[in-house]
Amino acid sequence: ILNVEQSPQSLHVQEGDSTNFTCSFPSSNFYALHWYRWETAKSPEALFVMTLNGDEKKKGRISATLNTKEGYSYLYIKGSQPEDSATYLCAFIDSNYQLIWGAGTKLIIKP
Amino acid sequence: GAVVSQHPSRVICKSGTSVKIECRSLDFQATTMFWYRQFPKQSLMLMATSNEGSKATYEQGVEKDKFLINHASLTLSTLTVTSAHPEDSSFYICSAREEALNTEAFFGQGTRLTVV
Repeated sequence: ILNVEQSPQSLHVQEGDSTNFTCSFPSSNFYALHWYRWETAKSPEALFVMTLNGDEKKKGRISATLNTKEGYSYLYIKGSQPEDSATYLCAFIDSNYQLIWGAGTKLIIKP
Repeated sequence: GAVVSQHPSRVICKSGTSVKIECRSLDFQATTMFWYRQFPKQSLMLMATSNEGSKATYEQGVEKDKFLINHASLTLSTLTVTSAHPEDSSFYICSAREEALNTEAFFGQGTRLTVV
């Protein structure tokens, strides 16, 4: 059974602080890992598509790293702002192109 | 990016009736579609995964006779909440994905269901 876990489930961060959270996935049969950002009442948006071990991707203050050998990806947010409050979802895609979702990390930025 | 259209965006129904929610991929073939629900102040919960032309795979704890999923074509999946009760009131959202290299999943706008 393929399992994708995200931790923590929820996170409260003070505005201006940096933070990170984790997506763990099977280390075998890896094809790709996706990160999504989802604000309540809006459609989730794709942040990153990561495919190679050691990948680092960046979009503004948000960045992500990938370790396929040990089966984890970190999402970092630098200098958190209230608009960063959202649920961050990761999705693991295996070599059969099967997509498995994590349950998400809910991030709340406190002003 | 690709567009997924979900309809209706809001629906209010009486207890005991059934409600159908549609999820359409407008400009790509959605080999796989996912259905989620979100309870207030909780995370998104995956309900089921459906592949075109085959039966949906339901997550543990989700009643398949209660939440009927049909994915009869590559552009349409439907979720029918049967004999709805107030506890089924929730936000339901679908996502669709084309089974090709590195394609992301695209999400519908969601449906707010209120059962009275």
